[in-house]
Amino acid sequence: QKEVEQDPGPLSVPEGAIVSLNCTYSNSAFQYFMWYRQYSRKGPELLMYTYSSGNKEDGRFTAQVDKSSKYISLFIRDSQPSDSATYLCAMSPINQLIWGAGTKLIIKP
Amino acid sequence: DTAVSQTPKYLVTQMGNDKSIKCEQNLGHDTMYWYKQDSKKFLKIMFSYNNKELIINETVPNRFSPKSPDKAHLNLHINSLELGDSAVYFCASSQASTKSYGYTFGSGTRLTVV
Repeated sequence: QKEVEQDPGPLSVPEGAIVSLNCTYSNSAFQYFMWYRQYSRKGPELLMYTYSSGNKEDGRFTAQVDKSSKYISLFIRDSQPSDSATYLCAMSPINQLIWGAGTKLIIKP
Repeated sequence: DTAVSQTPKYLVTQMGNDKSIKCEQNLGHDTMYWYKQDSKKFLKIMFSYNNKELIINETVPNRFSPKSPDKAHLNLHINSLELGDSAVYFCASSQASTKSYGYTFGSGTRLTVV
């Protein structure tokens, strides 16, 4: 079993929909949780960063961490075609990032 | 200004050749990384250097040798290239001393071994 599980998709939704992306993990020592966005033929870029449990909001993006369930989510409101990308979750106990496989998201105009 | 730059962007080479990929960051970060991303988009850490010192060396063939002449540069040399080495290689940097996990990635080097 991988330490971090993420459905690779693709996930296809119409423009304007609310998108929910998720990762589960097995290591209870993880404390830092991140979401990265990767456009085609580009490197990943940090989108959201959360320490421990709780919610964090940034514009149309909300990151949630539920440590009791070992489950993290990224919500995208009012999704746009420009949000089409691969979204990777990453998490860390202290000193090394463990990555999910990435979910390919397609927003249809 | 490009924060993390890698060269070349594309590399097509024959099996058995030796090649190098260069990486430079101008962010003043103290830690640099090499990642390999396969066709299924899975990112796998290969090496990590902190202030020119190797701190992570995952299970990669010893045909791969990183070199960090200073903390702004981390190069990757690959000997005797094999078909299975075809992938996108990403360089990244972070400021580990602040416990920030905001890695900044380069645009990648797409390596194709034929």
